[in-house]
Amino acid sequence: GAVVSQHPSWVICKSGTSVKIECRSLDFQATTMFWYRQFPKQSLMLMATSNEGSKATYEQGVEKDKFLINHASLTLSTLTVTSAHPEDSSFYICSARDGGPQEEQFFGPGTRLTVL
Amino acid sequence: QQQVKQSPQSLIVQKGGISIINCAYENTAFDYFPWYQQFPGKGPALLIAIRPDVSEKKEGRFTISFNKSAKQFSLHIMDSQPGDSATYFCAASTQSDYKLSFGAGTTVTVRA
Repeated sequence: GAVVSQHPSWVICKSGTSVKIECRSLDFQATTMFWYRQFPKQSLMLMATSNEGSKATYEQGVEKDKFLINHASLTLSTLTVTSAHPEDSSFYICSARDGGPQEEQFFGPGTRLTVL
Repeated sequence: QQQVKQSPQSLIVQKGGISIINCAYENTAFDYFPWYQQFPGKGPALLIAIRPDVSEKKEGRFTISFNKSAKQFSLHIMDSQPGDSATYFCAASTQSDYKLSFGAGTTVTVRA
């Protein structure tokens, strides 16, 4: 149980285009989802927290107009990278928790974004 | 600033040996300390986690030692196997927002 999927697993796009990444909790209801960014050989950096039905909260330094997050249902959150540029190329990972007393987050497999 | 400091950056261990990774934190509000294993191109997977009311937790070959007064915790991997070669991250969070602060990561290489 507790499986989180991401789609696509990798995407290549041209500079200036927008890319949408989906994060789904397959066997539980995710009241909270988190989006992380990971550059090669670096750690995970939290970008934003999204709660179902409410606006996402962004970490300091993350442009909310560039990284649009929608958590429209208890099983789906999306991250849209708008007007992508080569510096946005990274590994994007989501995680989800079910809102219960347990702190555990379940991570997705990640999405590799390459902007040409 | 990085709220969780992790060392070493990398380590090499012989098969059957012990791998030890250390982490230190400053925020005394942290109350959940997980360790994650990540393989290249994959998302992190939870290995083991501990809360500050426990000084040690063991699951199979993985043990967390926790020193609340020193604000330090460590991961011991016993009988290291080549399949353990991966990057390991410590992390910490609070029950107020569940946001995870990650350490910088340790790349472990187990030589056969």
